Amino acid sequence: EAGVAQSPRYKIIEKRQSVAFWCNPISGHATLYWYQQILGQGPKLLIQFQNNGVVDDSQLPKDRFSAERLKGVDSTLKIQPAKLEDSAVYHCASSLGRTQGPYEQYFGPGTRLTVT
Amino acid sequence: AQSVTQLGSHVSVSEGALVLLRCNYSSSVPPYLFWYVQYPNQGLQLLLKYTTGATLVKGINGFEAEFKKSETSFHLTKPSAHMSDAAEYFCAVTTNAGKSTFGDGTTLTVKP
Repeated sequence: EAGVAQSPRYKIIEKRQSVAFWCNPISGHATLYWYQQILGQGPKLLIQFQNNGVVDDSQLPKDRFSAERLKGVDSTLKIQPAKLEDSAVYHCASSLGRTQGPYEQYFGPGTRLTVT
Repeated sequence: AQSVTQLGSHVSVSEGALVLLRCNYSSSVPPYLFWYVQYPNQGLQLLLKYTTGATLVKGINGFEAEFKKSETSFHLTKPSAHMSDAAEYFCAVTTNAGKSTFGDGTTLTVKP
């Protein structure tokens, strides 16, 4: 079974530029998560989708971050404009779905973003 | 609100020694508990989980953890460390509503 795919793996941009990350979850997984992991900290949930609907985006900085999950499969996370403090690893994860219990999450390899 | 505290951001053990990584949580409802491991340049992968039932759970690579409700703890142990166990370990708590909170991680170093 193919795992969670993410691209790109690494990205370097200047502040005030925009950037987009892509995620393809495991086939059949209804729930998709985007996490931000700043160096020295644990992953922090940015947004959680159930199929193509948003379940939780309470920690998403909506003035600069946006995410969508069209057709309940792939997802993109965008930052516009980027700030220095956005330098982090962005993880995408998926799980079978909330209605069937809190299944474990399967993580992609992550995207390391450096903002200069 | 739930929170996870991992005591010790860095733990160093000798090869063959006991590994003990500590995790305490706070949650207003009975949680589901997980340990994940992250190797360099890789994504997080599940080590083990506690949902219901037996409080001592076994995971991959010889790791196990015990859920102690009275102590709100879920410490991770392995009887004998191997060089390949060197990685970063994350404890996470998930509510019935599916919201997950991760600790800040513990980096395990294994000395030959």
